[in-house]
Amino acid sequence: DTEVTQTPKHLVMGMTNKKSLKCEQHMGHRAMYWYKQKAKKPPELMFVYSYEKLSINESVPSRFSPECPNSSLLNLHLHALQPEDSALYLCASSQDRGRSSYNSPLHFGNGTRLTVT
Amino acid sequence: SQELEQSPQSLIVQEGKNLTINCTSSKTLYGLYWYKQKYGEGLIFLMMLQKGGEEKSHEKITAKLDEKKQQSSLHITASQPSHAGIYLCGADGDYGQNFVFGPGTRLSVLP
Repeated sequence: DTEVTQTPKHLVMGMTNKKSLKCEQHMGHRAMYWYKQKAKKPPELMFVYSYEKLSINESVPSRFSPECPNSSLLNLHLHALQPEDSALYLCASSQDRGRSSYNSPLHFGNGTRLTVT
Repeated sequence: SQELEQSPQSLIVQEGKNLTINCTSSKTLYGLYWYKQKYGEGLIFLMMLQKGGEEKSHEKITAKLDEKKQQSSLHITASQPSHAGIYLCGADGDYGQNFVFGPGTRLSVLP
């Protein structure tokens, strides 16, 4: 069982819909991540939050909007997505991994399988 | 930028056989992480290596980091169907907080 919980497990949405993906962890981690994974590819980093502040945005289109309401929760708001955005979206958390503390593994949720029609 | 390569890309072995997966970095590694992923699921953390020459084992899986800290290997002894999945190595990117993955090795174990 994973200690990072993602909901929903599956989501189908139209290109005009607005939806949100949710992620929750109770391990006391202060860094949280969103990754996107296409079939037969490794996960690609989208966003990193450190102490509830956005610290990394890997040039992600604005139709993806992350939010970190508190240290345990991470949301990804979706609006006007394209069919090519269909993928597995993975949330992860870790101890803060700034330059002084590299050595902390990421713990992943089971992901949300998103299909954009 | 930090890049990780893995070999082989895919591997099919008979149950009971040993196998090795390799991960090579373009830069010195400050931490190297091994993950396993079942199709369509999240990633399961296996092991973390930090020091040159370090070796760790868990059940039938052993991971090593070379002295130069640019190559790691994952060795499975007496493979079982439960070992099947995608094995990914991961490491810190260029600015610490980002975390990048190798392309993965797809392992199938035939009963």
